[in-house]
Amino acid sequence: RKEVEQDPGPFNVPEGATVAFNCTYSNSASQSFFWYRQDCRKEPKLLMSVYSSGNEDGRFTAQLNRASQYISLLIRDSKLSDSATYLCVVNHSGGGADGLTFGKGTHLIIQP
Amino acid sequence: SAVISQKPSRDICQRGTSLTIQCQVDSQVTMMFWYRQQPGQSLTLIATANQGSEATYESGFVIDKFPISRPNLTFSTLTVSNMSPEDSSIYLCSGCTTWGRDTQYFGPGTRLTVL
Repeated sequence: RKEVEQDPGPFNVPEGATVAFNCTYSNSASQSFFWYRQDCRKEPKLLMSVYSSGNEDGRFTAQLNRASQYISLLIRDSKLSDSATYLCVVNHSGGGADGLTFGKGTHLIIQP
Repeated sequence: SAVISQKPSRDICQRGTSLTIQCQVDSQVTMMFWYRQQPGQSLTLIATANQGSEATYESGFVIDKFPISRPNLTFSTLTVSNMSPEDSSIYLCSGCTTWGRDTQYFGPGTRLTVL
């Protein structure tokens, strides 16, 4: 089983709709979780951290389910500018080498 | 979705040697890039691989250290030259398609350890 697994998509979603996608991780000792946004020819940009209690930032909501070992990202009222690749990132080393594991990304395309 | 493969998947190399990583993408990919992920860090863009011409390098990366080739649309190589332990990283090939809105895909990565 891959350490961090995401549905690659693409998710084709009309503008204004709500879209959600999940990411599963294999290491139950994983300590922290993040969603990054990846735009072409750029470096990943931290979108939000994911906390056990769930957290919201504007139109974006992230949740963590430790029992089932997955995190989710929900985007409400999607905008054309939300089109990007969303990377799930898991930190499972407690600060040691190779702590951050990136998923392959979920590709989101918002259609006008 | 676009398919990107890399080889080798991992290697352990001696200081001072060089390693060439190969990347093969399917025809949906138009732009190709090389990234590096050093231990505990996020992804860093090394360069854009240009078909039939010299790669475009990001600040801090030079052709002598990381020569890149892209002889055709679907194949690229990255060489890590004169390696030192600081080069130990995961090296990822990446490609963007032009359908949708420049959807980007990553290869499985090459985990390099330099002794």
